[in-house]
Amino acid sequence: GEDVEQSLFLSVREGDSSVINCTYTDSSSTYLYWYKQEPGAGLQLLTYIFSNMDMKQDQRLTVLLNKKDKHLSLRIADTQTGDSAIYFCAESIVGSGNTGKLIFGQGTTLQVKP
Amino acid sequence: DVKVTQSSRYLVKRTGEKVFLECVQDMDHENMFWYRQDPGLGLRLIYFSYDVKMKEKGDIPEGYSVSREKKERFSLILESASTNQTSMYLCASSPGGGTLYNEQFFGPGTRLTVL
Repeated sequence: GEDVEQSLFLSVREGDSSVINCTYTDSSSTYLYWYKQEPGAGLQLLTYIFSNMDMKQDQRLTVLLNKKDKHLSLRIADTQTGDSAIYFCAESIVGSGNTGKLIFGQGTTLQVKP
Repeated sequence: DVKVTQSSRYLVKRTGEKVFLECVQDMDHENMFWYRQDPGLGLRLIYFSYDVKMKEKGDIPEGYSVSREKKERFSLILESASTNQTSMYLCASSPGGGTLYNEQFFGPGTRLTVL
């Protein structure tokens, strides 16, 4: 079945770049997503990429997609303490009733040290 | 802005109790979802609904049921709570229409403890 894998923890220093990696299994996924979860809160969409793109940049965020290897990464430039959160990668699949479903990875906890 | 609200942020129940978790969305979304979140396991889908009175099992439906009597409201029911159902429960909604883009909007979560 569908599966999304992420490493569980990443620690960086403030001002450094952070790179969070993700692998997925469903080659038919049309969109892939990065969600952010701050402590005590629900998930919020951070960014997404369409499967026919290799890269998407949005201010400090860069998403890279290697469709051949089914590998997705999120790079955060100039990481700040406010970026400390859990980051989830998700791939979209179509379920019953033509419903778009998301398959989430385990989440990567990003710790930013001052 | 889409708003998804959940009835409680924190809930403590006893083993064997019947537990209701309520979720309401205000953007006329077709699809609604219930997940549980556990450390190291990410989000796992319990049930989803793509229309009023329609429901489908997700990956871990055992011990849970759901109800969707109105479009904006999706309830998760634990018929007889057990300690292994202690978790964070997240509700989400998304527009329907069979689009390929499937952003889901999440509520703040309910942290349930079963003693």
